[in-house]
Amino acid sequence: ELKVEQNPLFLSMQEGKNYTIYCDYSTTSDRLYWYRQDPGKSLESLFVLLSNGAVKQEGRLMASLDTKARLSTLHITAAVHDLSATYFCAVDNNDMRFGAGTRLTVKP
Amino acid sequence: EAGVVQSPRYKIIEKKQPVAFWCNPISGHNTLYWYRQNLGQGPELLIRYENEEAVDDSQLPKDRFSAERLKGVDSTLKIQPAELGDSAVYLCASSLKAGELFFGEGSRLTVL
Repeated sequence: ELKVEQNPLFLSMQEGKNYTIYCDYSTTSDRLYWYRQDPGKSLESLFVLLSNGAVKQEGRLMASLDTKARLSTLHITAAVHDLSATYFCAVDNNDMRFGAGTRLTVKP
Repeated sequence: EAGVVQSPRYKIIEKKQPVAFWCNPISGHNTLYWYRQNLGQGPELLIRYENEEAVDDSQLPKDRFSAERLKGVDSTLKIQPAELGDSAVYLCASSLKAGELFFGEGSRLTVL
């Protein structure tokens, strides 16, 4: 059974700092997605990673995928308060399996 | 283009009562998913449809949950009878075949 693990589960960081969220998974897949969820809202797609070595960047967020290590990272550069949200990775292995989420709080 | 539409947004019922949720996916999306999200957790797949066929319902508690997708478009998810542990947000998502999911706003169920 596919397992998707994220860490950390909770992350509190200062504005302007950098940090990385990790997502590792247990079975072979080359399709991985990152989503953002604001409190009380639904999930919004951030990145689609479809091959080994894929790297996508949008603003202060950059996601990468290493299918051999079964690992994806979401890197935050110079965090701002607006990035406060819960971030989920999801692995597509015939069905889309989600991690538990990383709850990010960016403090002034 | 309209996104995934779900209703109702909120539902409060007493245990043992029935409840139903409705989802209208993005036009042209063949694949439809129902997920359940408990507070502070990630979404958990309940059922996945390819057109009108349920291709993965292994996580659906079939003793009380049922789902249908008539004509391969709209879908309903029903719980009968509801239990306290069913309180959660029920998310519908759609995609073009296998790929990026687009989620609705969700239906928040509270069972008293």
